[in-house]
Amino acid sequence: GAVVSQHPSWVICKSGTSVKIECRSLDFQATTMFWYRQFPKQSLMLMATSNEGSKATYEQGVEKDKFLINHASLTLSTLTVTSAHPEDSSFYICSARDPRGNTEAFFGQGTRLTVV
Amino acid sequence: DAKTTQPNSMESNEEEPVHLPCNHSTISGTDYIHWYRQLPSQGPEYVIHGLTSNVNNRMASLAIAEDRKSSTLILHRATLRDAAVYYCILSRPYSSASKIIFGSGTRLSIRP
Repeated sequence: GAVVSQHPSWVICKSGTSVKIECRSLDFQATTMFWYRQFPKQSLMLMATSNEGSKATYEQGVEKDKFLINHASLTLSTLTVTSAHPEDSSFYICSARDPRGNTEAFFGQGTRLTVV
Repeated sequence: DAKTTQPNSMESNEEEPVHLPCNHSTISGTDYIHWYRQLPSQGPEYVIHGLTSNVNNRMASLAIAEDRKSSTLILHRATLRDAAVYYCILSRPYSSASKIIFGSGTRLSIRP
């Protein structure tokens, strides 16, 4: 079945550096992908909608200059956490829906970001 | 987006059925009822979805009330691997704008 893959699974970075997370749809083309953030013991919070060939749409309260999203192809979206700080440490998850179907969303395995 | 209400947590015994309730009194006619679950340190995975009729698949069954204002996810024989957070979500048919918005979900614990 359709699969969404994220990379890396985990990353540790120093405060002030930037980190890029990739999300790929492996057997379907995704004009839209979604990025979520999840803190421990909390639910997933939608951060932004990534649109192929156009600007991402950010949810209220999410800093677009802090979380850069690029969706340059139909199978790849990237989230870059710029100038990361310890409070950005979280579990980041991407998602996409297969446009050929009218059904479920597929989620990546998540990326655990730790900023030290 | 229409809201869903689920119990924060539930416990069940291994090899027994589990019924996870969800209330969605403000559901619209075009909203599908989706269930996802999230195992620890993993992304969510799809469980089942339906519109009006009850649905069965290899993972679970979904029972939808006649007025569609509530639904129940049924795990017929729980295993330890079913311990997860289960999310009941309302979703419009696919379009580029059909986001999946998560509520707080139900944390299911399974006793050996």
